[in-house]
Amino acid sequence: QVQLVESGGGVVHPGGSLRLSCVASGFTFSAFGMHWVRQSPDKGLEWLTFIRYDGDEKFYADTVRGRFFVSRDNSMNTLYLRMSSLRLEDTAVYYCVKDQCRGCSSGEFFDSWGPGTLITVSS
Amino acid sequence: DIVMTQSPDSLAVSLGERATITCRSSQNILQSSNNKNYLAWYQQKPGQPPNLLFYWASTRAFGVPDRFSGSGSGTDFTLAISNLQSEDVAVYYCLYYGTTYSFGQGTKLEIK
Repeated sequence: QVQLVESGGGVVHPGGSLRLSCVASGFTFSAFGMHWVRQSPDKGLEWLTFIRYDGDEKFYADTVRGRFFVSRDNSMNTLYLRMSSLRLEDTAVYYCVKDQCRGCSSGEFFDSWGPGTLITVSS
Repeated sequence: DIVMTQSPDSLAVSLGERATITCRSSQNILQSSNNKNYLAWYQQKPGQPPNLLFYWASTRAFGVPDRFSGSGSGTDFTLAISNLQSEDVAVYYCLYYGTTYSFGQGTKLEIK
């Protein structure tokens, strides 16, 4: 079965940087697009970014474009999210999420989620 | 941007009764080229990530009991749960997944 396991969360100061990782198993990672989604009590669920199955197409939400960067290593079945210039409002649980569409250029709906990793931005 | 609005924000329903949650989009999300509504429903129980219930507005995901039903088209959508069970206590979200992504604010379902 599909397993997604995030790591890299923690406490960071405003303006700081952090990199999240997500190790995938139970499916052909290189065939599916992947997303990062976050959840906070204030903003609820918020889609952040999508990366195509081959890594050649990426899309970002306006709130994180230019600060967050998604990448993947298909040889390691691993998805990454590099976050910089972190703000207080970036405090949230960050989920690694699998897209349901195999081989698609853009994403569709989410069919599997990791348990999430908490990022707290605090001075 | 398309905004998804759910109602109510919370509801309490007796065991065995029917719960109904609505989701309204600020624009038509039925794509005429393929006649598909780009709308999904998720269930999130405490301490867990969301779990897919429906996609294309009314296609039930694998393993979802048929007590759950999804309906609607265009801008108005409904998630209905009949014969409510204690394990259905959760927060339910709708999601638009077309040109971008937009979640509803969530509806908290409790037992009366």
